[in-house]
Amino acid sequence: GAVVSQHPSWVICKSGTSVKIECRSLDFQATTMFWYRQFPKQSLMLMATSNEGSKATYEQGVEKDKFLINHASLTLSTLTVTSAHPEDSSFYICSAREEEVKDTQYFGPGTRLTVL
Amino acid sequence: AQSVAQPEDQVNVAEGNPLTVKCTYSVSGNPYLFWYVQYPNRGLQFLLKYITGDNLVKGSYGFEAEFNKSQTSFHLKKPSALVSDSALYFCAVRRASGTYKYIFGTGTRLKVLA
Repeated sequence: GAVVSQHPSWVICKSGTSVKIECRSLDFQATTMFWYRQFPKQSLMLMATSNEGSKATYEQGVEKDKFLINHASLTLSTLTVTSAHPEDSSFYICSAREEEVKDTQYFGPGTRLTVL
Repeated sequence: AQSVAQPEDQVNVAEGNPLTVKCTYSVSGNPYLFWYVQYPNRGLQFLLKYITGDNLVKGSYGFEAEFNKSQTSFHLKKPSALVSDSALYFCAVRRASGTYKYIFGTGTRLKVLA
C-alpha cells in the first residue's frame, strides 16, 4: 500500500517550452500533496503544498506563475513548469500525505527534467 | 524555527558491523520524526517514524531509531549493515500540530564496505 507514482520519470525539453509532471496516489486518497526540488547531492527543497480543490501554497521564493500546480482530484496533482529554462533543470519529487496513517508522506520516484 | 541537522555527510561502515546515522532536531512543541532512504535517481522510501509512545521505533529492512527528547535526537541504527544498505538517508521533522510540512536534513550518505 501507499504507493505514489510520477510521470514522466524523465523528460528533456527545449528552452521556452512547458512541461507537465503528474503525481498520483495509487491506493489512497490524498487531500494534500507536496512538490519538492532536489539539486545534485543536496537535500529536498519544498516548493509548494498542493491542496485538493483549492489553490496551492507556495514557499517563499518560488514563482507561482512559473510552477503551476493543479490538484483536481484526491489522487492527482500536476506540476507544470512554464517557459522552462536550463536553470529549471532538476529532479522534481512529489509526495502525498496519507491521512489515515498518522500523517506520513509517501514519495514518488521523481522526475528528472533537463532543459536544453 | 524548525530545523534538522545531520552532522555527517558520509558514514562508512564494514558489512556486518552496526551502523548509526545521526540526526538532531529543533522544533517547537512535540515533534513527529521520520527517516527516509533514497537510492540513486529514485524518490524517497519511508523507513520509520516516531509519533508518540515507545522511544525505540522499529522500521523497514531491520532499521530502528531511538527518540531522545532530552538530547533532541533521533539517530538511525541497524545492528548489522548490508552492502545493499548503501544509500542516502534523510531525517525529517514536523510539528505535531499545525503545518503538515516536513523539514529535511541535508542527508547522510551511507557506504557499507564488503
